[in-house]
Amino acid sequence: EPEVTQTPSHQVTQMGQEVILRCVPISNHLYFYWYRQILGQKVEFLVSFYNNEISEKSEIFDDQFSVERPDGSNFTLKIRSTKLEDSAMYFCASSVARGNEQFFGPGTRLTVL
Amino acid sequence: LAKTTQPISMDSYEGQEVNITCSHNNIATNDYITWYQQFPSQGPRFIIQGYKTKVTNEVASLFIPADRKSSTLSLPRVSLSDTAVYYCLVGDSPPKRDDKIIFGKGTRLHILP
Repeated sequence: EPEVTQTPSHQVTQMGQEVILRCVPISNHLYFYWYRQILGQKVEFLVSFYNNEISEKSEIFDDQFSVERPDGSNFTLKIRSTKLEDSAMYFCASSVARGNEQFFGPGTRLTVL
Repeated sequence: LAKTTQPISMDSYEGQEVNITCSHNNIATNDYITWYQQFPSQGPRFIIQGYKTKVTNEVASLFIPADRKSSTLSLPRVSLSDTAVYYCLVGDSPPKRDDKIIFGKGTRLHILP
C-alpha cells in the first residue's frame, strides 16, 4: 500500500538554525499539506499546496516558514530561524484530490534547544 | 465548519464494543461526518466517513441518526492496539473553499487488558 514518508524521523537543532523537513507524498497525489502537533496538544494545520503554489496557510505559517516541491517527488517544509516554540511533531499529508481523504506521514519530531 | 463535541477520554476492555459519540448540532446540509484515528507518535489516519444512516467498513461502523445532529463511531471487539485518539470532523466533502482539516482534541480511547 502506498504511503507518505518523512525524513528525518527526529531532528534536533539549536535555536536560530534553519531546518528542512522532507516528505515524499504518495506518487499520484496532487495536494500536499503540512500540519504540526505540539506535545499534548491538537494537530494544527500549517499550509496546503497545489500546482506548485500555496493554496492556504494558517496564522502559524509566518515568514519563517516556507514550502517547496523541488522535484517531482519531494515536498519540503523549511523553517528559517527556529524558535523554542517550534518544537513539535510535523506531519506531512497528501491527497489525490481536494477534499479527498488525506494520508498522513509518520511525522518528524523537531526539537529546538 | 460545524463545531463538534466528543468525550475527552474513554476506557474500555479488550473484546468489548466501543461507541464514541460526537455531537454536531450545527451541521449543515452539505456537511459530511469524518472520523480520523491517531496512534501515539503517528500521524492521523482516516477511518470512516458518512452522510446519513449507517456506513460500515473493515475497521468501524458509523451511525448517523435522521437529524444528523450527532454520530456514533462503533469499534467492534477492540484490542489493545485500538488505543488511540479518535477525531470527529464535520465539513463539506469535498470542501468548497478550503481543504484543510481542523482537528479538535478528539477522544482518547484507552483499551485495557
